[in-house]
Amino acid sequence: RKEVEQDPGPFNVPEGATVAFNCTYSNSASQSFFWYRQDCRKEPKLLMSVYSSGNEDGRFTAQLNRASQYISLLIRDSKLSDSATYLCVVNDPNTGFQKLVFGTGTRLLVSP
Amino acid sequence: DTAVSQTPKYLVTQMGNDKSIKCEQNLGHDTMYWYKQDSKKFLKIMFSYNNKELIINETVPNRFSPKSPDKAHLNLHINSLELGDSAVYFCASSLMLGGARANEKLFFGSGTQLSVL
Repeated sequence: RKEVEQDPGPFNVPEGATVAFNCTYSNSASQSFFWYRQDCRKEPKLLMSVYSSGNEDGRFTAQLNRASQYISLLIRDSKLSDSATYLCVVNDPNTGFQKLVFGTGTRLLVSP
Repeated sequence: DTAVSQTPKYLVTQMGNDKSIKCEQNLGHDTMYWYKQDSKKFLKIMFSYNNKELIINETVPNRFSPKSPDKAHLNLHINSLELGDSAVYFCASSLMLGGARANEKLFFGSGTQLSVL
């Protein structure tokens, strides 16, 4: 089983739609979770951390389900500018907080 | 001012050559990394340095040799380049190693696209 797994997509949605991505991780001892965003031919950038109680940043909501070992990202009222690849990131507990493991990403395409 | 800058942006070279990629960060961070993103977009850590000291060395061929002259710089030298080395290489930095979430945020450079012919 891969350390971090994501549906590669693409998810094609119209502007204004709500879309959600899930990501599963293999090591139950992982403690740090993040969503990064990567635009085509650009570097990844931190979108948001994921906290145990769930957290929201504007149109973006992140949730953590430790029992089922998955994290989710919900995007409300999608904008054209949300089109990107969303990378799920989890720490490797075998190295403490030193190593972050990236999923292969879920591609989102928002159309007019 | 670019926070994490790496050069060159593009590198096209022949098999068997030796090449270097340079990285500098002006954020005052203690920790720097090299990541490789292959054609399937899988981003994988190669090396991590904390204050010039090697912390993480994934199972990378020893043709890859990182060098950190100071904590603001982490260069990557690659000997005897092979076709399979073609990828995008990202340099990154973070405030420091440790358990605080703020320290884990990675700041990436814009990447070096390496093409080995």
